[in-house]
Amino acid sequence: DTAVSQTPKYLVTQMGNDKSIKCEQNLGHDTMYWYKQDSKKFLKIMFSYNNKELIINETVPNRFSPKSPDKAHLNLHINSLELGDSAVYFCAGSYANTGELFFGEGSRLTVL
Amino acid sequence: RKEVEQDPGPFNVPEGATVAFNCTYSNSASQSFFWYRQDCRKEPKLLMSVYSSGNEDGRFTAQLNRASQYISLLIRDSKLSDSATYLCVVGNYGQNFVFGPGTRLSVLP
Repeated sequence: DTAVSQTPKYLVTQMGNDKSIKCEQNLGHDTMYWYKQDSKKFLKIMFSYNNKELIINETVPNRFSPKSPDKAHLNLHINSLELGDSAVYFCAGSYANTGELFFGEGSRLTVL
Repeated sequence: RKEVEQDPGPFNVPEGATVAFNCTYSNSASQSFFWYRQDCRKEPKLLMSVYSSGNEDGRFTAQLNRASQYISLLIRDSKLSDSATYLCVVGNYGQNFVFGPGTRLSVLP
């Protein structure tokens, strides 16, 4: 009964490949997010979706594209992977009136 | 100046010690403040929200000073299980929540 689940948990791939990470939440969150945590452990927001509309789009390369087929899902697609994309990507959800973020377990991406 | 800054750490303290973490933020329009905890190779989890009047949850006390744009977290009677990285988070509902770089705590037996 995981509230926010993301797959895959581990992903190892070659430079130049395209990959996707899926995220699903079952708590009825109003907003979903993608965060990136790099090797220095700094957690930075990438995207935020509120009711299927993008409301935050931080300055990430356009190789990264969020896709939200419905309110419960926010997937992250990455084109032409680069070495610097290696990181842990966290999906999160929140209710509009509380602000508390519920994180998924993270997807550890390694680009070789 | 970074949006959210924290004590660099790491903090190594014996069991039973009291330890305090500090956090400063640059956006004076921020309205929401939180402390999160992240265990090694795990996702961040909410430890506590921070309210203007200060708030306490068991051994944990959070304080907010809006004038100085400063947040603190006090942990009393440290336990081994308190070992983790503590993340200060600042933002506004419906907008971006900015995470600080975190302060790592190791509680030693």
